[in-house]
Amino acid sequence: KNEVEQSPQNLTAQEGEFITINCSYSVGISALHWLQQHPGGGIVSLFMLSSGKKKHGRLIATINIQEKHSSLHITASHPRDSAVYICAVSRGGADGLTFGKGTHLIIQP
Amino acid sequence: DAGITQSPRHKVTETGTPVTLRCHQTENHRYMYWYRQDPGHGLRLIHYSYGVKDTDKGEVSDGYSVSRSKTEDFLLTLESATSSQTSVYFCAIRGQADQPQHFGDGTRLSIL
Repeated sequence: KNEVEQSPQNLTAQEGEFITINCSYSVGISALHWLQQHPGGGIVSLFMLSSGKKKHGRLIATINIQEKHSSLHITASHPRDSAVYICAVSRGGADGLTFGKGTHLIIQP
Repeated sequence: DAGITQSPRHKVTETGTPVTLRCHQTENHRYMYWYRQDPGHGLRLIHYSYGVKDTDKGEVSDGYSVSRSKTEDFLLTLESATSSQTSVYFCAIRGQADQPQHFGDGTRLSIL
């Protein structure tokens, strides 16, 4: 079983819809990360959080440490939000990230 | 944007040849990472460095070696490339422990 699981794997929605992507993890973590990767593009860090909730523009990330679960929400989705969204966890110290397999999001106009 | 450059951006080579990928940063960050990204597997950690000459193995380190002789450069070497090492390779850097990682643009490596 993967240490970081994301759902759904693929999501197609209409412009303006509210989007939710889920992430569950099975190990102890120091922080959870949400990343964005556009087709053929690089990887951008959206959020790094260890508790509660963070908001940046139309994006909101929440984490429940007790349930080992995080969600990424996109409000008023737009075609430019189409990308792969990746959940990852860090365990502290120098260790690198452990990643989920990503959620491929397509927002249709 | 964080100052991180990967070179080359694309490379095609043959099985059995040595390959070195370079990650260069201008941020003076302590931590540097090499990941590979493959369909069906996502991103996986190959090696990482926590200072000059200080490196350690990640999840998929077999067949790879790294070196960091100065803060700004982290080299990934495939001593004898195999087709299973065809992948997209990303370098990442991080300053302090409570900061996110910043990724390079990736190197697309094809081994024929």
